[in-house]
Amino acid sequence: AQSVTQLGSHVSVSEGALVLLRCNYSSSVPPYLFWYVQYPNQGLQLLLKYTTGATLVKGINGFEAEFKKSETSFHLTKPSAHMSDAAEYFCAVSDLGSNYQLIWGAGTKLIIKP
Amino acid sequence: DTGVSQDPRHKITKRGQNVTFRCDPISEHNRLYWYRQTLGQGPEFLTYFQNEAQLEKSRLLSDRFSAERPKGSFSTLEIQRTEQGDSAMYLCASSPRTGLQETQYFGPGTRLLVL
Repeated sequence: AQSVTQLGSHVSVSEGALVLLRCNYSSSVPPYLFWYVQYPNQGLQLLLKYTTGATLVKGINGFEAEFKKSETSFHLTKPSAHMSDAAEYFCAVSDLGSNYQLIWGAGTKLIIKP
Repeated sequence: DTGVSQDPRHKITKRGQNVTFRCDPISEHNRLYWYRQTLGQGPEFLTYFQNEAQLEKSRLLSDRFSAERPKGSFSTLEIQRTEQGDSAMYLCASSPRTGLQETQYFGPGTRLLVL
């Protein structure tokens, strides 16, 4: 069965520092990969997704992620953190084996220190 | 697009009572999904609809849970004889087409507390 692992339930960075949130997946076929963000008491919003083509994907709010097939990873980065980036971030995957369901990671809470 | 809406946003109920939640997807989205999310966890799939047809149900969806999408537009999720373990955020999402790469658009969720 597919699974998604997000390393670190909490990540703390200083404002202006690099943000790196890790996501690894298990899939025997090419997956589609998603990052969603959830602000407190709100639903989830798509940040970016990888389907096919260029492996470096740019999303909203200055975030980007790179699909690395050899490492089965889809890590999310942002060069310079802003206080407004404080939220919970979820990685998700779908593939032929998931029957159109998204398989979700447990989430990483991003904390921004002033 | 007005976005996916859910009603109510919060629900407090006593154990044993029935509750019903409503989801209005983005207009003309033919796929609708229900998820459950507990603190510190990602969403857990419950069920989804293609138009009015319920195509898949998770084993998490016990016989106390039922979902409908009678005209292929809004959907309801009912929980009968609620238990404290049902306390969670219930999320609804919709997508415009069938496809593994399709983005799911989420509503704000209904937070249920069972006392």
